[in-house]
Amino acid sequence: RKEVEQDPGPFNVPEGATVAFNCTYSNSASQSFFWYRQDCRKEPKLLMSVYSSGNEDGRFTAQLNRASQYISLLIRDSKLSDSATYLCVVNKGGGNMLTFGGGTRLMVKP
Amino acid sequence: EAGVAQSPRYKIIEKRQSVAFWCNPISGHATLYWYQQILGQGPKLLIQFQNNGVVDDSQLPKDRFSAERLKGVDSTLKIQPAKLEDSAVYLCASSLRGGYNEQFFGPGTRLTVL
Repeated sequence: RKEVEQDPGPFNVPEGATVAFNCTYSNSASQSFFWYRQDCRKEPKLLMSVYSSGNEDGRFTAQLNRASQYISLLIRDSKLSDSATYLCVVNKGGGNMLTFGGGTRLMVKP
Repeated sequence: EAGVAQSPRYKIIEKRQSVAFWCNPISGHATLYWYQQILGQGPKLLIQFQNNGVVDDSQLPKDRFSAERLKGVDSTLKIQPAKLEDSAVYLCASSLRGGYNEQFFGPGTRLTVL
């Protein structure tokens, strides 16, 4: 089993739609969780950290479910500019090295 | 604030040749990472430095890959000899301390091995 698993997609949604991605992780000792965004042929950039209580940043909401070992990202009112690959990132076994998932590709259509 | 700098941006070599990549992290960032990203996959950590010491190199193919971070600032990653499967984007990232901090990535070096 991979340490961090994501549905590769692509998720094709119309502008204005709400879309959600899940990510599962295998190591129950993991403590830090992040979502990074990667545009085509660009470097990854931090989108948001994921806190135990969940957190929201504008149209983006991240949730953590430790019992089931998954994190989620919800995007409301999708924009064309949201088209990108979303990488789920988990710290490695309680240490400070990060493991990236394979990414979920989102395509928002007019 | 200047970001993470990498060079070259693109490199094409024949298999069995050698290649080296250079990274200059954000000023003041103690932690430096090298990742390999194969097309369609997420970045895979190759090596992590804290200042000039190696924190983790468990996924670095040490028979052909080497990396150093002299003086705890710039870093170089070398592949010798290259194989076809080394074709990938090599990303350098830095953070203030460790994995709990945001990692800032450079633009990457796209390597093609023919």
